[in-house]
Amino acid sequence: AQSVAQPEDQVNVAEGNPLTVKCTYSVSGNPYLFWYVQYPNRGLQFLLKYITGDNLVKGSYGFEAEFNKSQTSFHLKKPSALVSDSALYFCAVRDGAYNFNKFYFGSGTKLNVKP
Amino acid sequence: DAGVTQSPTHLIKTRGQQVTLRCSPKSGHDTVSWYQQALGQGPQFIFQYYEEEERQRGNFPDRFSGHQFPNYSSELNVNALLLGDSALYLCASSLTRNTEAFFGQGTRLTVV
Repeated sequence: AQSVAQPEDQVNVAEGNPLTVKCTYSVSGNPYLFWYVQYPNRGLQFLLKYITGDNLVKGSYGFEAEFNKSQTSFHLKKPSALVSDSALYFCAVRDGAYNFNKFYFGSGTKLNVKP
Repeated sequence: DAGVTQSPTHLIKTRGQQVTLRCSPKSGHDTVSWYQQALGQGPQFIFQYYEEEERQRGNFPDRFSGHQFPNYSSELNVNALLLGDSALYLCASSLTRNTEAFFGQGTRLTVV
């Protein structure tokens, strides 16, 4: 079975500082990993994905994520946080190669960026 | 491109009633999935439609049903509403060849 875990309910960071939002996964087969962001009363916006290739994945709005197979992690990072990055972040694993929009989501991490 | 659109945006229903939520996928997308997001939780997969048939189903009771039309739009129906059905319902669409899904803004259902 596929699953992801986001161990932190909330992450607080000062504007301009680097941020990390943690995610670990458990999959059978190859991992198809995603990060989505959700603003209040809104749907999910795609940030980035790892399917294959380089372990460092670059995505939207300056975000990047590092895939670590040995640690089964896919942490989201940004070198310099903005107040506008404050939102709810979800890590997700897709259910295999061919289930194109069937995802298992983590419980979410609320990111607070303070001025 | 309007992206994935859902209607209505908000809905209030009484226990025992039935509700229909609607989703128009992103232009050209032929696969639609529905998710339930309870307050403070991540989205949970309900089911997926492709070629007008339910292809995958999550751990939801038969009170949850759906439909996909020839133009790829989709409906989610929930019968005999319970208080616990109160949630944000999200629709996602994708092309079968793509690897990312696009989500609508959701329908906030409140059951009283």
